[in-house]
Amino acid sequence: AQTVTQSQPEMSVQEAETVTLSCTYDTSESDYYLFWYKQPPSRQMILVIRQEAYKQQNATENRFSVNFQKAAKSFSLKISDSQLGDAAMYFCAYRSAPWNYGGATNKLIFGTGTLLAVQP
Amino acid sequence: DGGITQSPKYLFRKEGQNVTLSCEQNLNHDAMYWYRQDPGQGLRLIYYSQIVNDFQKGDIAEGYSVSREKKESFPLTVTSAQKNPTAFYLCASSKDRGNQPQHFGDGTRLSIL
Repeated sequence: AQTVTQSQPEMSVQEAETVTLSCTYDTSESDYYLFWYKQPPSRQMILVIRQEAYKQQNATENRFSVNFQKAAKSFSLKISDSQLGDAAMYFCAYRSAPWNYGGATNKLIFGTGTLLAVQP
Repeated sequence: DGGITQSPKYLFRKEGQNVTLSCEQNLNHDAMYWYRQDPGQGLRLIYYSQIVNDFQKGDIAEGYSVSREKKESFPLTVTSAQKNPTAFYLCASSKDRGNQPQHFGDGTRLSIL
């Protein structure tokens, strides 16, 4: 079974600085997808960024980028120019590629989250 | 705007009572999911459905039941068999192909009276 580990329960960053959140996962599959979700105090889950395992290029979305190391099974999230609105719980999530199951399945496996505080 | 609507936002359950959490989506998504979130833990999958009239147990299905009679709706019933129901419940949906992400509702907070 696949597992996702976020070893940093809490992180803090100064406004305008850069912070990196760690995520490691365990799988025997070669094809899969990885996601970072943000959960602000409103509790809504918001997709931040996604990465396909077959792509070597790291995904970027504006101030958010990932460092995907497939061999090391590592998927860290870098937030540049941190803003007060970035303060939230961040979850890393794994999903198998549909063909691994012989059909479509979109089941997500989540880590336990990292609570990010942004200091003004 | 398309989205996922969960209701109610807050729900209280008495001992021995069944309660139903509503989840409706107008995104024309095939798949729908229910997650439970407890403090200090990530989201855990309760049930999911990839097509109307079909659903599968997730990792923590005991004490819960679902139905999927319409594509747009996926209600979750927390039965009296669920001895520790106090949690935050999130519903999600997705197109069930490729790398399509799951879209989440705003959640329901369930507490025991």
